[in-house]
Amino acid sequence: GQSLEQPSEVTAVEGAIVQINCTYQTSGFYGLSWYQQHDGGAPTFLSYNALDGLEETGRFSSFLSRSDSYGYLLLQELQMKDSASYFCAVRANTGGFKTIFGAGTRLFVKA
Amino acid sequence: DSGVTQTPKHLITATGQRVTLRCSPRSGDLSVYWYQQSLDQGLQFLIQYYNGEERAKGNILERFSAQQFPDLHSELNLSSLELGDSALYFCASTPSGNYNEQFFGPGTRLTVL
Repeated sequence: GQSLEQPSEVTAVEGAIVQINCTYQTSGFYGLSWYQQHDGGAPTFLSYNALDGLEETGRFSSFLSRSDSYGYLLLQELQMKDSASYFCAVRANTGGFKTIFGAGTRLFVKA
Repeated sequence: DSGVTQTPKHLITATGQRVTLRCSPRSGDLSVYWYQQSLDQGLQFLIQYYNGEERAKGNILERFSAQQFPDLHSELNLSSLELGDSALYFCASTPSGNYNEQFFGPGTRLTVL
């Protein structure tokens, strides 16, 4: 089967940098995505990595190492509005293409 | 606003009942995905449709079924409801040729009493 592990909670200070790690185990791996979800809201797409390396989109960057089955989301210049849950998700071909989500990391940004 | 719509927004029903959740994907998107999110949990993949056909199945219970209609809207049917089925149900869609970014609807909050 598939499994993803990410920390349940992370706390950081406004203006700081925070890294949310994700390790995964799956066959038929295609790529790793990150989604943000505010309380009561819908998940919104942040990034997708299919190849090893760092992808940067504004204040957010995402990294993937396929050989280590590991990725991370890096949030820079943290703002209060970044307080949310962050989910990593693997896209894998296991009896059809599926996107399997981790349990999520709740990020608290403090003033 | 992602462009994906879901109705109803809230649904309260009793155990043993049957409900239907509706989803309309973004204009032009052929793929629809259904997810269940229980309180403070991650998203559990239920099922995916592409242009009316089932493409992938996740941990969907036999009491649950779904379909995608010719106009591409999708319905998720939940029957013999149990207390544990109380959750947020999200629908998402992806554009053809780019399945990596899913656009989520606002969700339907189901409460089973």
